[in-house]
Amino acid sequence: GAVVSQHPSRVICKSGTSVKIECRSLDFQATTMFWYRQFPKQSLMLMATSNEGSKATYEQGVEKDKFLINHASLTLSTLTVTSAHPEDSSFYICSARDPLGELFFGEGSRLTVL
Amino acid sequence: QKEVEQNSGPLSVPEGAIASLNCTYSDRVSQSFFWYRQYSGKSPELIMSIYSNGDKEDGRFTAQLNKASQYVSLLIRDSQPSDSATYLCAVWSDSSASKIIFGSGTRLSIRP
Repeated sequence: GAVVSQHPSRVICKSGTSVKIECRSLDFQATTMFWYRQFPKQSLMLMATSNEGSKATYEQGVEKDKFLINHASLTLSTLTVTSAHPEDSSFYICSARDPLGELFFGEGSRLTVL
Repeated sequence: QKEVEQNSGPLSVPEGAIASLNCTYSDRVSQSFFWYRQYSGKSPELIMSIYSNGDKEDGRFTAQLNKASQYVSLLIRDSQPSDSATYLCAVWSDSSASKIIFGSGTRLSIRP
């Protein structure tokens, strides 16, 4: 299947700092990527849809000023958690749909805010 | 009613038996259906995709789709302890702003 790579896999930061997570589609171009968040033992929660060359579409209740999404190329989307706080600690996962219509996930990024 | 519904489990199945996972969806115009496996602490991994009514087999996995009943299932034959994971049913719905809707997952436990 298609390959989606996410970096970093783990990040620990102090409260108030910003953290950037990168998501790359390695063997296909993705005009749309998706960002999810998952708390322990809970379901995937879609945060936003990242559209190449345009603004991201955020789900209800997700603060667009806190979770900045940039999709500057057909293979790269970034999520920046601004002024992170302990409650933002979570597992962040990106995904992209390949030309066959199947959705593939990155490895995920575990964020811990101290 | 949730858009994609799954029994949360846990579903406990003896090793070597058939595990049957079920999913129902609400949007009749849905065209694409997927099963993902997620191990604890890892991201979801695509196991099967199915687009038309009937069965689709891939190794020990069989996906079954019945659009009239809005029902999709996953059978795992000869269950192994390594199959213990959470299985997510997902439906791509063009009527929901072209995004994939996930069920909350069924936790499967294969007992040796």
